[in-house]
Amino acid sequence: AQSVSQHNHHVILSEAASLELGCNYSYGGTVNLFWYVQYPGQHLQLLLKYFSGDPLVKGIKGFEAEFIKSKFSFNLRKPSVQWSDTAEYFCAVNGGTGRRALTFGSGTRLQVQP
Amino acid sequence: EAEVAQSPRYKITEKSQAVAFWCDPISGHATLYWYRQILGQGPELLVQFQDESVVDDSQLPKDRFSAERLKGVDSTLKIQPAELGDSAMYLCASLDLTGEETQYFGPGTRLLVL
Repeated sequence: AQSVSQHNHHVILSEAASLELGCNYSYGGTVNLFWYVQYPGQHLQLLLKYFSGDPLVKGIKGFEAEFIKSKFSFNLRKPSVQWSDTAEYFCAVNGGTGRRALTFGSGTRLQVQP
Repeated sequence: EAEVAQSPRYKITEKSQAVAFWCDPISGHATLYWYRQILGQGPELLVQFQDESVVDDSQLPKDRFSAERLKGVDSTLKIQPAELGDSAMYLCASLDLTGEETQYFGPGTRLLVL
């Protein structure tokens, strides 16, 4: 069975600090990888996704993630966070065609202090 | 921008009562998912539909949960009887098949069972 691990449960940063959130997955085939964000009081929104091709993917709001197949990782990065990035971040995976349900990690709560 | 609609947004009920949640996916999305998100965890699949047919309900507690999508458009998730452990956020998502397959989430229904 596939699984996703997010090791950072709660991260506190000051504005302008760099961000890296870890995500490791376990899956025995071709994977599709996603990062979703949930801002306070809002629904889950897609930040970025990887299906194939360039392992460095860029998403909305200056976020990027790198797929490292040998490490089964898909870490999320942002060079300079803003207070508005305060949210919960979820890494997710599915396999095959992409129509399968997503398996989510437990999430990382990011708090950015002004 | 089209969105997944869910209602109600909040529901408080007493244990042993019946509750129902409604989801209207983005127009044209044939694949629909119901996820449950317990506080502090990532969403977990309950049931997946392709048009009006159930594709995966392996994680649905069928003794008390039921889901239907009679005309292949909107969907209803029911719990009868509700238990204290059912308190959670119930999320609906639909799948965009244009380009890379991506799930879009609704705002969720937050259920509190007393």
